[in-house]
Amino acid sequence: ELKVEQNPLFLSMQEGKNYTIYCNYSTTSDRLYWYRQDPGKSLESLFVLLSNGAVKQEGRLMASLDTKARLSTLHITAAVHDLSVTYFCAGMTTDSWGKLQFGAGTQVVVTP
Amino acid sequence: NAGVTQTPKFRILKIGQSMTLQCTQDMNHNYMYWYRQDPGMGLKLIYYSVGAGITDKGEVPNGYNVSRSTTEDFPLRLELAAPSQTSVYFCASSTGGRTEAFFGQGTRLTVV
Repeated sequence: ELKVEQNPLFLSMQEGKNYTIYCNYSTTSDRLYWYRQDPGKSLESLFVLLSNGAVKQEGRLMASLDTKARLSTLHITAAVHDLSVTYFCAGMTTDSWGKLQFGAGTQVVVTP
Repeated sequence: NAGVTQTPKFRILKIGQSMTLQCTQDMNHNYMYWYRQDPGMGLKLIYYSVGAGITDKGEVPNGYNVSRSTTEDFPLRLELAAPSQTSVYFCASSTGGRTEAFFGQGTRLTVV
């Protein structure tokens, strides 16, 4: 059974500094997703990582995947206030049904 | 393009009442999912469907029922509502088991 563990669960960031969110998963996962969720809103897809060594970047966010270590990271460069949301990683089961197993989420607060 | 539409957005139920959460998508997606999100937690899969007439249980199906009579609609039925079902419910759809899922805006349900 695929289990996904995210840490930290809460991250207080200072504007302009760099931070990393970690996502470990327990068994083989077909692919790894990162989502963001604004308070009271739905999930917005950020990245999908398909293979070992995959790296995706969008603005100040960069995600990577190490399938051997069963680890994905979301790196935030020079944090700004509008990145103050909750980030989720989710692994997809390998049974072809597209089921997602989510981590508990990392709530990010960026302060001046 | 409406995407995935959920109704209602908010609902308060009394213990023991029943209700149906509606989900419809206009993208002709075969795969549809119901997730619930408890406060401070990631999403957990309740039920999923890979096509009209085909449904299966996810991780937390107890207390819920689904049906899928058309490609577009995937309603979630709560029978005998309990306080433990207080949650935010998200419906999602995708073209197939290996493709990105699109999420609806969520239904916030409180059982009192």
